[in-house]
Amino acid sequence: NAGVTQTPKFQVLKTGQSMTLQCAQDMNHEYMSWYRQDPGMGLRLIHYSVGAGITDQGEVPNGYNVSRSTTEDFPLRLLSAAPSQTSVYFCASSYPRTSGSYEQYFGPGTRLTVT
Amino acid sequence: SQQGEEDPQALSIQEGENATMNCSYKTSINNLQWYRQNSGRGLVHLILIRSNEREKHSGRLRVTLDTSKKSSSLLITASRAADTASYFCATDMYNNNDMRFGAGTRLTVKP
Repeated sequence: NAGVTQTPKFQVLKTGQSMTLQCAQDMNHEYMSWYRQDPGMGLRLIHYSVGAGITDQGEVPNGYNVSRSTTEDFPLRLLSAAPSQTSVYFCASSYPRTSGSYEQYFGPGTRLTVT
Repeated sequence: SQQGEEDPQALSIQEGENATMNCSYKTSINNLQWYRQNSGRGLVHLILIRSNEREKHSGRLRVTLDTSKKSSSLLITASRAADTASYFCATDMYNNNDMRFGAGTRLTVKP
C-alpha cells in the first residue's frame, strides 16, 4: 500500500492565484482531513470528511474549499491564494470514529509559499 | 483554538537518558494520542490512551493520563539519537469529528 500520498511536494504561488492540493489514500479509510502546520503552532484542522459526499469545516476553513467525490481522494482548493496561507499542508486519513479506531495516517506534506 | 499544549517546547538530553513531555488540554476528551514528526516529514502515530485508562506502555514509551487535571505525559526511556523529533499530543473530544493538536515538544537526543 502507498498509504496517503500528496502532490505536489512544493509549490510557489503568487497572491490571487488558485490551485488544488491533491490527496489520495489506498487504505479504504472513510475519514480524511486536511491540516496546516505553521511554525510554533502545531497542526490546525482546515476541513474534514467522514465519507464520500460529506465534508465539514474544521478550525481554520476560510479561504479553502474541499469536496469528496470518492473514498480515495480528498483535494483541497485554494481559491485566491494569500501570503497568510503560506504553510505546510498535511492530509490524513483514518477509519471512521465509530469503529473505535482513531489513529490517523499522514501524508508527507505539501510546502506552499505564497508571494 | 488548540486543545492541547505541550511542555516543554524544547528538550535536549543525552543518549540513554529518559525524556518526559507533558500535554495539557482544556475540555473533556474521548481519547488522547501522541504523534512523532521527524524533520520535514508527516506525523506518525505512537500511542493512544482512552479517557478511562490511566497508563499505557508501548516498547520504550509510557503514557499517563490524568483526566482530573486534564493532562498527559509521554515518557521515552533509554533515549536514542533516532528519537530526535517533534512530539505532539492530539485530543479527540466526545461528539466531535475533529482532532486537535498541540504545538509540540522538540526533542533533541545527543549521541
